[in-house]
Amino acid sequence: AQSVTQLDSQVPVFEEAPVELRCNYSSSVSVYLFWYVQYPNQGLQLLLKYLSGSTLVESINGFEAEFNKSQTSFHLRKPSVHISDTAEYFCAVSKGGSNYKLTFGKGTLLTVNP
Amino acid sequence: GAGVSQSPRYKVAKRGQDVALRCDPISGHVSLFWYQQALGQGPEFLTYFQNEAQLDKSGLPSDRFFAERPEGSVSTLKIQRTQQEDSAVYLCASSLGLADEQFFGPGTRLTVL
Repeated sequence: AQSVTQLDSQVPVFEEAPVELRCNYSSSVSVYLFWYVQYPNQGLQLLLKYLSGSTLVESINGFEAEFNKSQTSFHLRKPSVHISDTAEYFCAVSKGGSNYKLTFGKGTLLTVNP
Repeated sequence: GAGVSQSPRYKVAKRGQDVALRCDPISGHVSLFWYQQALGQGPEFLTYFQNEAQLDKSGLPSDRFFAERPEGSVSTLKIQRTQQEDSAVYLCASSLGLADEQFFGPGTRLTVL
């Protein structure tokens, strides 16, 4: 079975500062990795995913995450955040080869302050 | 519609009542998923449909929980004899196929008093 640990439940930062949201997973098999974002009063949206190939994946709004197999991590980073990035971020994993039955972490609330 | 819709958005039930939560997936999406999100937790998988077939119900917490998708489109999650621990947000997601991106609905917040 897979499990996901998001080490920080809340991350407050100032606008234009860099941010890193940490995610570690455990699994005995190969996995697919995902970051979902939930803006206030909205549903979960896929931010980015790692299935195979390049270990660095990017989103259209400036976030990136790097799959590190040796450290079993998939940390999410952005060099300069905006107030509009305020949201809850969930890391998720599924068993490689079958992209269903997502296992989520508990989430990290990113609050960007002016 | 353009996205996954769920109804009602909010439901308050007295302990012991039965509830039914509806999910309208994106048109043409074969796969449909239900997740339960307790307060302060991430979503947890409940069950999965491919068309009308329920292929995985390993996440349903008890036999009080029942899901159906009789015509391969709309799905209903039914909870019988609700308990306080059933209070959570119930999320529905759909995808074109098993290996495709899951699109989530806004969820139904169930409060059991």
